[in-house]
Amino acid sequence: GAGVSQSPSNKVTEKGKDVELRCDPISGHTALYWYRQSLGQGLEFLIYFQGNSAPDKSGLPSDRFSAERTGGSVSTLTIQRTQQEDSAVYLCASSLRTGNYGYTFGSGTRLTVV
Amino acid sequence: SQELEQSPQSLIVQEGKNLTINCTSSKTLYGLYWYKQKYGEGLIFLMMLQKGGEEKSHEKITAKLDEKKQQSSLHITASQPSHAGIYLCGADIGSGNTGKLIFGQGTTLQVKP
Repeated sequence: GAGVSQSPSNKVTEKGKDVELRCDPISGHTALYWYRQSLGQGLEFLIYFQGNSAPDKSGLPSDRFSAERTGGSVSTLTIQRTQQEDSAVYLCASSLRTGNYGYTFGSGTRLTVV
Repeated sequence: SQELEQSPQSLIVQEGKNLTINCTSSKTLYGLYWYKQKYGEGLIFLMMLQKGGEEKSHEKITAKLDEKKQQSSLHITASQPSHAGIYLCGADIGSGNTGKLIFGQGTTLQVKP
């Protein structure tokens, strides 16, 4: 597509439920990144995928968080047993490949855990 | 402490005034990116700087990279209400040029008409 598409744009869930957030990167972009932005905070790196290489999961805050990227395109970020502190905007970005190439960000998914 | 420090954290200026936002890294920079974010929206790419001394301009926004100081500055000339938003710097700092960006806390800019 023309840009990075994220869905849903807003999600309200009850504490303890699982949620799935989806990211459709720009066609042909081999690198895909997930970030989290909490209220008043900067962007916190979560995970990135580059082609068929093993993902860099170093930013995932706990084992409740996982992500996958199927067919080198669409990615899903899953949060299990959501907690209130998981409330944030989850942003996805893609780039042509790793290295100094500009990222294109999606509009994000605003997750609220009640 | 933050690996990328932005200053100031917030800024209110009168329309037409110039302003500067700084981004300082505690580690070697392999590329410095500036993004703008409006509330509830994603990040809009502004500029990327790769080499020491590099300077880029887009409309009334100019960014410079001082590699020795591990610092970048973003300068807006004759600010307008449309410049309001959150400005974020991001950098690949010592992670082997993987493209994994670390971001600063952001600078919130308000422009009063």
